[in-house]
Amino acid sequence: NAGVTQTPKFQVLKTGQSMTLQCAQDMNHNSMYWYRQDPGMGLRLIYYSASEGTTDKGEVPNGYNVSRLNKREFSLRLESAAPSQTSVYFCASSEIGGGYGYTFGSGTRLTVV
Amino acid sequence: GQQVMQIPQYQHVQEGEDFTTYCNSSTTLSNIQWYKQRPGGHPVFLIQLVKSGEVKKQKRLTFQFGEAKKNSSLHITATQTTDVGTYFCGVYGQNFVFGPGTRLSVLP
Repeated sequence: NAGVTQTPKFQVLKTGQSMTLQCAQDMNHNSMYWYRQDPGMGLRLIYYSASEGTTDKGEVPNGYNVSRLNKREFSLRLESAAPSQTSVYFCASSEIGGGYGYTFGSGTRLTVV
Repeated sequence: GQQVMQIPQYQHVQEGEDFTTYCNSSTTLSNIQWYKQRPGGHPVFLIQLVKSGEVKKQKRLTFQFGEAKKNSSLHITATQTTDVGTYFCGVYGQNFVFGPGTRLSVLP
């Protein structure tokens, strides 16, 4: 099925542990994004990659790193997880500029204890 | 920075009633997008509006872009239980920014 695939769907980490969230899209989109969603806070942009080979910080980048591995894949890494990073993480992709809308993955529900 | 507000924050309606959510920006917008997120799901793109005063319809959903391109509305006629979810607007500033959303519940 065409779309954006995220793994894992659920994860529990202990404070200080690290992990990488994986995202892949098969729509040949140039741009990819990582958002986090917290109750009452809406969707906040963590990092984005406008095109292969580029990455930029969004609204809430602290504590995260990203890698645009190739045109299809964009990963998000938490080096030392903190309870404040408990959230639902969404990967999304779009054509450059997002004019035809963003396509979201199904999300990763992360709990840091 | 870009300020996007949505009202109301929550709306409870009886099935069959109409529903409207509003998205307001502090600056003039080049375009606006609307998304729907079902409970436990992910945001799904509904539509993009570009022109001043533009009105687009999708079945029972009517989307409108304000004349000044600073606000937009989403109107659902005769709500159904399948309309339950959170409706977000999204606008372009330095980055693409989502509004906080309006959560709709529909009582059968």
